[in-house]
Amino acid sequence: DAKTTQPNSMESNEEEPVHLPCNHSTISGTDYIHWYRQLPSQGPEYVIHGLTSNVNNRMASLAIAEDRKSSTLILHRATLRDAAVYYCILSSIRAGANNLFFGTGTRLTVIP
Amino acid sequence: ETGVTQTPRHLVMGMTNKKSLKCEQHLGHNAMYWYKQSAKKPLELMFVYSLEERVENNSVPSRFSPECPNSSHLFLHLHTLQPEDSALYLCASSQVVLGANVLTFGAGSRLTVL
Repeated sequence: DAKTTQPNSMESNEEEPVHLPCNHSTISGTDYIHWYRQLPSQGPEYVIHGLTSNVNNRMASLAIAEDRKSSTLILHRATLRDAAVYYCILSSIRAGANNLFFGTGTRLTVIP
Repeated sequence: ETGVTQTPRHLVMGMTNKKSLKCEQHLGHNAMYWYKQSAKKPLELMFVYSLEERVENNSVPSRFSPECPNSSHLFLHLHTLQPEDSALYLCASSQVVLGANVLTFGAGSRLTVL
């Protein structure tokens, strides 16, 4: 399975944008890029996913490099509720694949 | 409330006990998962069920026994566990969104083995 590399931790000031990087240099052409986050004392929750093009939803934006070897999760305006561990994960689009393997993620601290 | 309900939320058991964790979803998803989250370690995928058939078993010891009686329910039966099995056990279900499996997790069952 292709691996991802993320910084262990990041800090952001409240109400400022946050850019969370992820490297996935061994990504294959059939791998989707997923982002999940885990708030304290909760299970992980889905944030966003994409294949080649940049994606936007109500929670965040996903910017995917042209060579797909890296991506960035963008929180446009960090709030205290965004403090969580953010996971960048690759999963295959091949039929029947149910394999999402989580790494150690990036712990985001939001400073009031 | 995510739509995936896990019970009990907390469980303390001795090494000789037999207990079960339960997971329930009524989201219409047809795949369900068990993950284990130990302190300071990444989530570990344990089991995957798709359409009630086990499709993945990641070298999990036999003292953990999953059961998926229907597409809405998933159990994890526990027997003769070890203290190192103490962890947060997370259940998830998934649906395909824009070509990819998207998981919805429960809040987890915190297990302590004495």
